[in-house]
Amino acid sequence: GDSVTQMEGPVTLSEEAFLTINCTYTATGYPSLFWYVQYPGEGLQLLLKATKADDKGSNKGFEATYRKETTSFHLEKGSVQVSDSAVYFCALSDHKAAGNKLTFGGGTRVLVKP
Amino acid sequence: DAGVTQSPTHLIKTRGQQVTLRCSPKSGHDTVSWYQQALGQGPQFIFQYYEEEERQRGNFPDRFSGHQFPNYSSELNVNALLLGDSALYLCASSLISREAFFGQGTRLTVV
Repeated sequence: GDSVTQMEGPVTLSEEAFLTINCTYTATGYPSLFWYVQYPGEGLQLLLKATKADDKGSNKGFEATYRKETTSFHLEKGSVQVSDSAVYFCALSDHKAAGNKLTFGGGTRVLVKP
Repeated sequence: DAGVTQSPTHLIKTRGQQVTLRCSPKSGHDTVSWYQQALGQGPQFIFQYYEEEERQRGNFPDRFSGHQFPNYSSELNVNALLLGDSALYLCASSLISREAFFGQGTRLTVV
């Protein structure tokens, strides 16, 4: 079945550092890929998405590129802020939008220190 | 515009009891999905409702059941609670095959 593997945390960074969170997936067919963020005590918020190979999703300074050849969707941000401290989840859907079943990775906790 | 709302926010139940969690979807949305998020883990898909019918189901036992009402709101019922059912239960709403929006979740503790 479908699965998502992402690097374990916690990832601790200083403000303005570069952030990378690795995510790889296994799926039949051509899934859509997503990054969700969960702030303390809150639900999930969609951060960005990509629906086909070589698509780049971007939002709030975060970027991720759908790499079919390496089955990866790594999340990057060039300069993190304390407010980026959260848990980040990589996810896939076997349809072109997230209205259908989402398969999530285990999450990566990011802590940004001033 | 209210987003996805879930109730209650927290509750504590005893092993063997039954629980009902509620979800009101974002205005205009017709599809509701439920996820279980154990502490420190990613959400796991339980099931999805569309047009008052269960459209997809994850790998959860029959103790987990649901319902969708004509106004698109939904309930998640769990019977014969186990300690392992303790988790954050997330509801997500969408238009069918479109982006999902998540609620804040219901934290269930089984003692």
